[in-house]
Amino acid sequence: QAQLVESGGGLVKPGGSLRLSCEASGFTFSDYYMNWIRQAPGKGLEWVSYITNTGSTIYYADSVKGRFTISRDNAKNSVYLQMNNLRAEETAVYYCASGIYGSGRSDYWGQGTLVTVSS
Amino acid sequence: SYVLTQPPSVSLAPGQTARISCWGTNIGSKSVYWYQQKPGQAPVLVIYDDSGRPSGIPERFSGSNSGNTATLTISRVEAGDEADYYCQVWDYTSNHVIFGGGTRLAVL
Repeated sequence: QAQLVESGGGLVKPGGSLRLSCEASGFTFSDYYMNWIRQAPGKGLEWVSYITNTGSTIYYADSVKGRFTISRDNAKNSVYLQMNNLRAEETAVYYCASGIYGSGRSDYWGQGTLVTVSS
Repeated sequence: SYVLTQPPSVSLAPGQTARISCWGTNIGSKSVYWYQQKPGQAPVLVIYDDSGRPSGIPERFSGSNSGNTATLTISRVEAGDEADYYCQVWDYTSNHVIFGGGTRLAVL
């Protein structure tokens, strides 16, 4: 069955960088767009970034634009999130999620990876 | 940017019907998705395109969308339905995915 596995989370100092990875299996990854969505402790879901199945179109939330970069490697069934100049308030569980039907619908979700931004 | 508003919490007894609202300007013109998130778990899609139900989701879950309000309805609620529920749309003006703030369903 479809599976998404995130990795790369951890503790980073404010202003630091981190690269998250998400590896997919059990479905045709190259047919699916991908989202990164985060959830701060005790808070709701916040969309971060979106990439189409080919990588030709990318969108970012205003709060991360210019600091985060989403990319994908369909040969490796993986999507990435490069996060630079991290802020304390970006401490959260980061989920990757995939969809094929449009409108940001996310049918498959990973279990998330925790990013802690603290000095 | 587009905003979705949900009530913070809904509480009811087992067997009752839960109705969770999601308010947004002219939301009836958009496709609405609903996700269920239980503590410590990733979200799960329970309703797509306003009222569609993914495979494996019980028929007790249904959705509607009209005007400025989308509604997730859970009939005959059970203790296992306790979770946070989020509505989501795509904002074509900003090309952003938009989530509501979430509603915690408590089954007393």
